[in-house]
Amino acid sequence: QVHLQESGPGLVKPSETLSLTCTVSGPSISDHYWSWVRQAPGKGLEWIGYISYSGSANYNPSLKSRPTMSVDTSKNQCSLRLSSVTAADTAVYYCAKGVGGMDVWGQGTPVTVSS
Amino acid sequence: EIVMTQSPATLSVSPGERATLSCRASRSVSSSLAWYQQKPGQAPRLLIYGASTRATGIPARFSGGGSGTEFTLTISSLQSEDFAVYYCQQYNDWPRTFGQGTNVEIK
Repeated sequence: QVHLQESGPGLVKPSETLSLTCTVSGPSISDHYWSWVRQAPGKGLEWIGYISYSGSANYNPSLKSRPTMSVDTSKNQCSLRLSSVTAADTAVYYCAKGVGGMDVWGQGTPVTVSS
Repeated sequence: EIVMTQSPATLSVSPGERATLSCRASRSVSSSLAWYQQKPGQAPRLLIYGASTRATGIPARFSGGGSGTEFTLTISSLQSEDFAVYYCQQYNDWPRTFGQGTNVEIK
């Protein structure tokens, strides 16, 4: 059974870098692609990007080169870094398995950008 | 990017009734279309992929149809647990994009 758990600081200051980790339980992280999706308060879903175990990645151009994703196979984790955050980056951040139909999701972690 | 447009924004339905939700793509996504259900405070749940294939454990009352630019999600007989927001998402092109959601509420 696959279980995803996001973790990271719930509060980030403007202009700093948001860092989140997704811990995968069940399959090897090398067996699948992993996406990050976010949802601003009261809004819809926004795909941030995906990462594969080999390190290949694709990011949403709307985020203007700010995201960076990585994989740590030894810990069965993937990570998201989002630089130069503003209040507009306040959202619940989800990791999800897959890059097409995303069939397993973490519970999400809320991040607030505020000084 | 491909813009996904869902209609209606809100659908008021009585329990036991049929609900039909629409999703339109700004250009063809072939059958690379997924539907998700999201309840308040919860993560999205995959219902349908490949436009018409139910994900594991999804009840048969959920069905998806369409291809190209026009898609539908039908819930044949709404149960109390089905009142939620539904999103479509294309995965034919980068970036992956979602519709803005349809809120299915109790009439």
